[in-house]
This record gives sequence, structure tokens and C-alpha cells, in this order.
Amino acid sequence: DAGVIQSPRHEVTEMGQEVTLRCKPISGHNSLFWYRQTMMRGLELLIYFNNNVPIDDSGMPEDRFSAKMPNASFSTLKIQPSEPRDSAVYFCASSPLRLASGISGANVLTFGAGSRLTVL
Amino acid sequence: QKEVEQNSGPLSVPEGAIASLNCTYSDRGSQSFFWYRQYSGKSPELIMSIYSNGDKEDGRFTAQLNKASQYVSLLIRDSQPSDSATYLCAVASRDDKIIFGKGTRLHILP
Repeated sequence: DAGVIQSPRHEVTEMGQEVTLRCKPISGHNSLFWYRQTMMRGLELLIYFNNNVPIDDSGMPEDRFSAKMPNASFSTLKIQPSEPRDSAVYFCASSPLRLASGISGANVLTFGAGSRLTVL
Repeated sequence: QKEVEQNSGPLSVPEGAIASLNCTYSDRGSQSFFWYRQYSGKSPELIMSIYSNGDKEDGRFTAQLNKASQYVSLLIRDSQPSDSATYLCAVASRDDKIIFGKGTRLHILP
């Protein structure tokens, strides 16, 4: 398996522009997570999906952020309009569902390489 | 508010010594506990997972879990310069929500 694939790896945009980050999870993984990492705040959970259904989006900072998972192999995180404070590394991660994996593999995350976003 | 707390460091340890990293969590219903290692500019990678009270050993790494005290630790024996990284503690709740601490920076001194 190629692992979790994220695109783009780097994005530089101007304030007010729309940004779309993409993620392809590992085949067979039923849970998908979006995190944002900054020096100040560490790795923050934005939203996670189980079986393509959003379970908890309480970490999404504002209405400017939205995430979708139209099928088991694709998810997007969209920021519209973007602001300089959105600059961060955005990670997508996937895992098998706890009930499917059993005790030993439960909740083990595999991360993508991340998308570094700079908003000018 | 579910939280995972770690000392940010940096923690400096001589090469060959034992590095001890600690983590506390607030949600008593947490089910699964993890240590991830993150090198600068890279994504986090799993080092250890632990699901029940006690110790779990894997090579030079030992994870310790005490659910009564809501405490997780990671010991790295015979520390190597390649162990220098940020170590992230992660906790999964009953609803599979996975929260990370801010990480502890570890420096292994040659």
C-alpha cells in the first residue's frame, strides 16, 4: 500500500482565496482524521470520520472550514476564505476502526506527509 | 474538555542513558494510548501502543500505563542520537476520538 496520500504538499496563497486540501486514506481503513499542527498549538484534531460519516467536527475553528468524505477513498478539507492565521501543516491520518481491528490494532493512526499551507 | 498534557522540554539525555517521557490525560473513559515520534519536518510515526495497565516492552522502548492515575510514560533505554525528536502522546476515547499532547522535545547528547 502507498500509505496515506495528501496533496498538495505545499500551498502558498493570498488571504481571501479558497484552499482545498486532499487526502486518500489507506485502503481498508474506516476512520479518517484531519489535524492541524502549529508550533504554538501543537497537533489539533479538526474533524474525524468513521465509515465516511463525520463523527466530531468540534475542532473545526470556524465556518470558514469544511470537510467532506464522499467515499471511502477520498476526503477534502476546504478553507474559504483563507486567512494568514490558517498557516500551518495540515495532516490527514487513517486507521482501522477499533471494532474491526481488535484490541491490538485499535486506533493506530498512519499519517500522510502533510500539506504545508502558507497564507500571505 | 478532554486534554492530554506533556512537558514540552527540551529534555536532554546523554547517549546511552535512559530517557523518560511522561503524559497525563483527563478523560477517564480513554481506551487506547500511544506514543508517536516526529522528526523535524516529517509526519508523526507510531512508536508504541498500549491498551491495558502495566508495562509493554518493544526493543529499547517500554510504555507504561496507569489508568487509575491517568498517566502514560515512555522509557527509551540506551538512548541514541537518532532518538532525538519530538515525542507525542496520544489518547483515544471510547468514541475513537484521538487527541494528542503538544509533545516533548528530546535531545540525545553524544
